[in-house]
Amino acid sequence: AQTVTQSQPEMSVQEAETVTLSCTYDTSESDYYLFWYKQPPSRQMILVIRQEAYKQQNATENRFSVNFQKAAKSFSLKISDSQLGDAAMYFCAYRSSTNAGKSTFGDGTTLTVKP
Amino acid sequence: DGGITQSPKYLFRKEGQNVTLSCEQNLNHDAMYWYRQDPGQGLRLIYYSQIVNDFQKGDIAEGYSVSREKKESFPLTVTSAQKNPTAFYLCASRIPGPNTEAFFGQGTRLTVV
Repeated sequence: AQTVTQSQPEMSVQEAETVTLSCTYDTSESDYYLFWYKQPPSRQMILVIRQEAYKQQNATENRFSVNFQKAAKSFSLKISDSQLGDAAMYFCAYRSSTNAGKSTFGDGTTLTVKP
Repeated sequence: DGGITQSPKYLFRKEGQNVTLSCEQNLNHDAMYWYRQDPGQGLRLIYYSQIVNDFQKGDIAEGYSVSREKKESFPLTVTSAQKNPTAFYLCASRIPGPNTEAFFGQGTRLTVV
């Protein structure tokens, strides 16, 4: 079974600075998809960014980018120019291409942004 | 506006009672999901459905039941057999496929009193 590990329960960053959230996963598959979701205090989760494993190029969405290291099974999220609205819990998720009905989530990282 | 709606936002249940959480979506998504979220833990899958009139158990299905009679609706019943039902419950929907975005409701906080 696939597992997703987020080793940082809590992180903090100064406003306008850059922070990186870590995620590692365990799988024997070669084709899969990875996601970062944000859960703000309202608790409604939204997608931040996604990465296809077959793509070597790291995904980018405005201030959010990933560092995808397939061999190391690592998928970190970098938030640049952090804003107060970035404060939230962030979840890393794995989804298989062959069993796409289910996703496996990490335990989350709570990000605090200091003004 | 399209979206996914969970109700109620807060729910209290007496021990030994069944309770049903509502999840409705107007996104025309075939797949729907129920997750449980406990403090310090990630989302754990309870049940999911990829098409009307069909659903599968997730990782923690014991003590829960679902139905999928309509595409828009995927209610979750927490039965008295669930030993520790106090938790935050999230419903999600998406287009089936490995790379599609999941859309989440705002959740229901269930407390057993």
